Amino acid sequence: DAGVIQSPRHEVTEMGQEVTLRCKPISGHDYLFWYRQTMMRGLELLIYFNNNVPIDDSGMPEDRFSAKMPNASFSTLKIQPSEPRDSAVYFCASSGPGQWNKEQYFGPGTRLTVT
Amino acid sequence: AQTVTQSQPEMSVQEAETVTLSCTYDTSESNYYLFWYKQPPSRQMILVIRQEAYKQQNATENRFSVNFQKAAKSFSLKISDSQLGDTAMYFCAFISYNTDKLIFGTGTRLQVFP
Repeated sequence: DAGVIQSPRHEVTEMGQEVTLRCKPISGHDYLFWYRQTMMRGLELLIYFNNNVPIDDSGMPEDRFSAKMPNASFSTLKIQPSEPRDSAVYFCASSGPGQWNKEQYFGPGTRLTVT
Repeated sequence: AQTVTQSQPEMSVQEAETVTLSCTYDTSESNYYLFWYKQPPSRQMILVIRQEAYKQQNATENRFSVNFQKAAKSFSLKISDSQLGDTAMYFCAFISYNTDKLIFGTGTRLQVFP
């Protein structure tokens, strides 16, 4: 299996621009998680999906952030408009199948820099 | 609420030596999993080892093993025959059977010296 795939690996954008991060989970996994990692706050869970349905988005920092999962093999995390404080590494992870396979496998991350 | 504590922000070890990273957790749950993840400079999060709370036997994966003390709520990682490629940040993580959310510790930065 190719593992969790994320794109782009690096993104540099200017404040106010829209940013879209993409994720392809491991085939057969039915849980998908979006995390953000910064030096100050460590790893934070932003949102997670089960069977393409958002289950918990309590970690999404504000309305500028949105996430979708239109099908079992694709998810996006969008930031609009972006701000310098959004600079971080964003990880996508997947697990499953089922609720008892708890190991989460992470993608390589997207390093976002907002200037 | 569950918490995971890694009390060693940084550690170092010489190549070929053994090092132990500490992790403690707090929970009222009986059924849960514990994990160690490795994050090398490439920043990829790699699952190193897992332990199910109902299993008394400590998990082992090649040079990596754990010392799981359920009563003490302790879950340490031992790396034997350390290699330069083991240089990384190591995160301890907890998840109960009843949730889908992993709870991470703050990490221990391990440096392996030649």
